[in-house]
Amino acid sequence: EAGVVQSPRYKIIEKKQPVAFWCNPISGHNTLYWYLQNLGQGPELLIRYENEEAVDDSQLPKDRFSAERLKGVDSTLKIQPAELGDSAVYLCASSLVLSSGHNEQFFGPGTRLTVL
Amino acid sequence: GQQLNQSPQSMFIQEGEDVSMNCTSSSIFNTWLWYKQDPGEGPVLLIALYKAGELTSNGRLTAQFGITRKDSFLNISASIPSDVGIYFCAGLTGNQFYFGTGTSLTVIP
Repeated sequence: EAGVVQSPRYKIIEKKQPVAFWCNPISGHNTLYWYLQNLGQGPELLIRYENEEAVDDSQLPKDRFSAERLKGVDSTLKIQPAELGDSAVYLCASSLVLSSGHNEQFFGPGTRLTVL
Repeated sequence: GQQLNQSPQSMFIQEGEDVSMNCTSSSIFNTWLWYKQDPGEGPVLLIALYKAGELTSNGRLTAQFGITRKDSFLNISASIPSDVGIYFCAGLTGNQFYFGTGTSLTVIP
């Protein structure tokens, strides 16, 4: 079974340019997460989707960040315009709550963004 | 967002030694997960724990869900060079995961 797919793996842009990241979760996983990971830190949640609904976007800087998950499967995260401080790894993850109530989260490889 | 307290921050050990790391929180969690992250990759799930007091093994890795539900421990026995990486704990409450700050492990051959 394929894992979480993300693209691109690397992106280098100049400040004030827009950038978009794409994520395809594990098939059947209804919960999708976007995280920001700075060097030497653990992942920090940006937004969480349950199917196509954004149920937690409290940590998403909405002045420049936006996300969508049309049809409740793939998702895109956009930054416009990018700032130097946005340089980080953007991780996508997905999870499924099993009938047992167990919930395990699986990550994609991440997109490393460098803003010059 | 909340980040869990993970210690130690880094470890340098000889190949063959055992490793212990832990994660603590002021909040109660109903699930604890442990991940390993290699450079340039996303975190990979190692062990999941669902019940207070639970002890679970995955090969040379053993993890425990603390009785208070506010902590968890990961042990690696007989370390090998490929154990090198950053280990993260994660606690789940509701549908939200909170992550530790990571333990960087270096194994010296």
